[in-house]
Amino acid sequence: DVKVTQSSRYLVKRTGEKVFLECVQDMDHENMFWYRQDPGLGLRLIYFSYDVKMKEKGDIPEGYSVSREKKERFSLILESASTNQTSMYLCASRPRGQMNEQFFGPGTRLTVL
Amino acid sequence: AQRVTQPEKLLSVFKGAPVELKCNYSYSGSPELFWYVQYSRQRLQLLLRHISRESIKGFTADLNKGETSFHLKKPFAQEEDSAMYYCALKGAGNAGNMLTFGGGTRLMVKP
Repeated sequence: DVKVTQSSRYLVKRTGEKVFLECVQDMDHENMFWYRQDPGLGLRLIYFSYDVKMKEKGDIPEGYSVSREKKERFSLILESASTNQTSMYLCASRPRGQMNEQFFGPGTRLTVL
Repeated sequence: AQRVTQPEKLLSVFKGAPVELKCNYSYSGSPELFWYVQYSRQRLQLLLRHISRESIKGFTADLNKGETSFHLKKPFAQEEDSAMYYCALKGAGNAGNMLTFGGGTRLMVKP
């Protein structure tokens, strides 16, 4: 059973703080993804990684960075949090192969005050 | 650029009524399309994909390339179908790692 875990379910930070969101998967998947989920906008891809130390920008990378030092862990970093980054953040992983589905974590609801 | 549009933010039906959740896409290549579902307090999960041509929980979806649509249908809605539904498109090549999601439709099935 694929397990994707995220470090926090709820997080409250202040404007300007540096924020780390962690995601871990236990199924040796090559691909990992970070999305934000907003009402009416669906899921928008922030960054993804197809291998250790590899990363690609998604549709909305501005204000975010990522780190993939180990295969099982993919971190999303907000260098200086802003109120418009208040959102639900979803991590996902997928094994290599075009036909495979993405498996999602439970999400982290981040509020920036 | 690839784009997915779900025109309805909310769809409310009575139990036993037919359901159709609309999805339209724009993509220049040959698309792969999916429906994902998120039940209350659960994580997002795959419901079905067009290449499998399967029926999951009574739902089916047919890819119509002429109309660039991938509508999700169920003949008789159940209360447990109430959830958020997202249509998603996967591109080819390196972009094949990426899914583009629609804005989502919340389905409410009333008793």
